Amino acid sequence: AQSVTQLDSQVPVFEEAPVELRCNYSSSVSVYLFWYVQYPNQGLQLLLKYLSGSTLVKGINGFEAEFNKSQTSFHLRKPSVHISDTAEYFCAVVSYNFNKFYFGSGTKLNVKP
Amino acid sequence: KAGVTQTPRYLIKTRGQQVTLSCSPISGHRSVSWYQQTPGQGLQFLFEYFSETQRNKGNFPGRFSGRQFSNSRSEMNVSTLELGDSALYLCASSSGQGAYNSPLHFGNGTRLTVT
Repeated sequence: AQSVTQLDSQVPVFEEAPVELRCNYSSSVSVYLFWYVQYPNQGLQLLLKYLSGSTLVKGINGFEAEFNKSQTSFHLRKPSVHISDTAEYFCAVVSYNFNKFYFGSGTKLNVKP
Repeated sequence: KAGVTQTPRYLIKTRGQQVTLSCSPISGHRSVSWYQQTPGQGLQFLFEYFSETQRNKGNFPGRFSGRQFSNSRSEMNVSTLELGDSALYLCASSSGQGAYNSPLHFGNGTRLTVT
């Protein structure tokens, strides 16, 4: 089975500052990795995904993530955040050939002016 | 292309009642998954249906059940509601052909409040 750990439940940051949201996973098999974002009163929206190839993945809204197999991590980064990035971010893992996603507990990003 | 549609958006029920939630997936998607989201537990997987068959199941009591129709629309039912069932219930659809080909696409959820 797989599991996902998001170490920070809340991350406060000032506008235009850089941010990193941490995600570590555990799996005995190869996996695909995803980041989803949830704005208030909405469902989850796909931000980016790592399937194979380059370990640096770029997503929407200027976010990027780097897959590190040796450290089993998939941290999400943005060099300069905006107020509109205030949302909850979820990391997810799914093993090859299965359709069962395992989600982390989420990180609430609070961007302050 | 229309997204995943969940109805109703909000529900208020009394303890002991039952409730049915509906989910219409993206056209062409054959897999529908259900998740329960609460502040304390995060996103908890309920079950997944693919071509009218339950393919995966989470660790929820038998009070939680679901089904999928031939047009891929899905319903989730919760019987004998408890206060702890208050949550946001999210539905997600995909092609069902593996995450490589199709990640999950989520609806906006149904907010269930049990009083």
